[in-house]
Amino acid sequence: AQKVTQAQTEISVVEKEDVTLDCVYETRDTTYYLFWYKQPPSGELVFLIRRNSFDEQNEISGRYSWNFQKSTSSFNFTITASQVVDSAVYFCALSEAWSSASKIIFGSGTRLSIRP
Amino acid sequence: DGGITQSPKYLFRKEGQNVTLSCEQNLNHDAMYWYRQDPGQGLRLIYYSQIVNDFQKGDIAEGYSVSREKKESFPLTVTSAQKNPTAFYLCASRPTGDFDMNTEAFFGQGTRLTVV
Repeated sequence: AQKVTQAQTEISVVEKEDVTLDCVYETRDTTYYLFWYKQPPSGELVFLIRRNSFDEQNEISGRYSWNFQKSTSSFNFTITASQVVDSAVYFCALSEAWSSASKIIFGSGTRLSIRP
Repeated sequence: DGGITQSPKYLFRKEGQNVTLSCEQNLNHDAMYWYRQDPGQGLRLIYYSQIVNDFQKGDIAEGYSVSREKKESFPLTVTSAQKNPTAFYLCASRPTGDFDMNTEAFFGQGTRLTVV
């Protein structure tokens, strides 16, 4: 069965610090897709990135970077030089290509607070 | 503009009453989803539908019902059998073609249901 674990419930750092959000997943499929979403206080989920299981290249987008490691079933998210506007709840999600096509399972989320 | 519309944004009901949450999308997506979010917790899958006239139970389907009579619409009914219905409900949609499986889900702005 598919599962996503975000062990860090809450993280609080001072502005300009770097912070990494962990995501560990479980799946029996060889083809799967991973996602990160941001949920600001308004409640709507904002898509950040997707990665398929065949693409282990790390990605950088401005202050955001993602580290995908199949060997450890992890898809971690790092914010460099954090800003107050980064404060939100961040979710990692998994979708399997075959076992449960189109079903998307989310982790429990990490609440990130950036202090000025 | 294309998107997902959930209505209403806030909903109040008396205990014991059924209530239906609306979700409409004009993105021409095949798959639609309902998630429940409790304070400080992650998103849990209630029901999902891959095509019209078909839907599957998610992890917490008890006390809920859905229908998918039109591609654009996926209403969720919270029945009196749901023991703790007060929560934030999010609807999402996603294409499911062979080349779309890695596409992210698009979310509505959510409905906050309070049962008194």
